[in-house]
Amino acid sequence: AQSVAQPEDQVNVAEGNPLTVKCTYSVSGNPYLFWYVQYPNRGLQFLLKYITGDNLVKGSYGFEAEFNKSQTSFHLKKPSALVSDSALYFCAVRDLRTGGFKTIFGAGTRLFVKA
Amino acid sequence: GAGVSQSPSNKVTEKGKDVELRCDPISGHTALYWYRQSLGQGLEFLIYFQGNSAPDKSGLPSDRFSAERTGGSVSTLTIQRTQQEDSAVYLCASSPSGSQGSTDTQYFGPGTRLTVL
Repeated sequence: AQSVAQPEDQVNVAEGNPLTVKCTYSVSGNPYLFWYVQYPNRGLQFLLKYITGDNLVKGSYGFEAEFNKSQTSFHLKKPSALVSDSALYFCAVRDLRTGGFKTIFGAGTRLFVKA
Repeated sequence: GAGVSQSPSNKVTEKGKDVELRCDPISGHTALYWYRQSLGQGLEFLIYFQGNSAPDKSGLPSDRFSAERTGGSVSTLTIQRTQQEDSAVYLCASSPSGSQGSTDTQYFGPGTRLTVL
């Protein structure tokens, strides 16, 4: 069965510093991996996805994520955090082997960026 | 065009009552998903519809939960005999794909906040 783990409930970063939000996954086949963001009082928004190809994926708002097959990880990163990045971030996985559209989301990591 | 819409935005009901939550996906999107987000929890997959295929109901937590999608567009999630643990935000999402194994991203609605007293 597919699963996603976000080991940190909360990440605190100072503005201007690099940030990392961690995600590990488990699937029986090849994964499709996604990051979504939920800003306060707003709906979930797509940030980026990994399907195949380059392990480093670039997405919206300057975010990027690195797919590491050996570590089964897909950590979200940004070189310089902004206060406006403060939000709830979800990692998600879809198992390509089983096909279909079932997507499993992690529990979420709340990011606080302090000015 | 318009995004995914959900109604009502908030619903307060008494324990034991039935509720219906509605989702209008983006026009032309063939895949539709329902998730539940409880306070302090992640997104819990409930059900998805893909075109005319049988829905994947594997995430529905009990037989009190059901969903249908009429005409391949609007979907209704029904919770019968609501319990306090059903209190959560119910999110709907749609994606345009028509093929299995698609990489399409999901577009989420604003959610319906359900409170069961």
